[in-house]
Amino acid sequence: EAGVAQSPRYKIIEKRQSVAFWCNPISGHATLYWYQQILGQGPKLLIQFQNNGVVDDSQLPKDRFSAERLKGVDSTLKIQPAKLEDSAVYLCASSLDPRTGLGYGYTFGSGTRLTVV
Amino acid sequence: SQQGEEDPQALSIQEGENATMNCSYKTSINNLQWYRQNSGRGLVHLILIRSNEREKHSGRLRVTLDTSKKSSSLLITASRAADTASYFCATDAPGTYKYIFGTGTRLKVLA
Repeated sequence: EAGVAQSPRYKIIEKRQSVAFWCNPISGHATLYWYQQILGQGPKLLIQFQNNGVVDDSQLPKDRFSAERLKGVDSTLKIQPAKLEDSAVYLCASSLDPRTGLGYGYTFGSGTRLTVV
Repeated sequence: SQQGEEDPQALSIQEGENATMNCSYKTSINNLQWYRQNSGRGLVHLILIRSNEREKHSGRLRVTLDTSKKSSSLLITASRAADTASYFCATDAPGTYKYIFGTGTRLKVLA
């Protein structure tokens, strides 16, 4: 099966500019996650979607970050305006519905490496 | 905040030796997973262990879970240079349906 697709792979922008990342999850995966990974740290959850609804966005800096999941499939994550501290790798992951209780694992995309200068 | 912490932060061993990494977490969990991340790449799922399981194996990987101590260990036997990567544990608390990642162990296997 095809993996989780993310684009672009790399992005360099100046501070105060805007940027958008795209993710296409594995077909049939109901749950989609965006994580931010700063160099040398573990991934930090930004937002979780179940189909096209937001389940958890408590860690999303809503004054500058926004995300949507169109028709419960593709998702975009936007930053506007960007700050220097947003430099990180943005990872998208998808999974089967975790509420089944069967034990679920993530499939991650390759990530988008964002550098804000 | 991150749920888990891996120990050690960095580990360097010779090819053929065994590598052991530990993960400690703070709250009760449903599942615990281990992931590998090669430099500049996405994370790859290695093993999932449920809270009612104590040990699981996959090839050269062995994972143990001690819920009374809130800790897990990942053992890689007969390590290879290709095992050089960062290893993360991730846990999900009951009812949350999301994984929180630890800080990672950077493993370097010397040929």
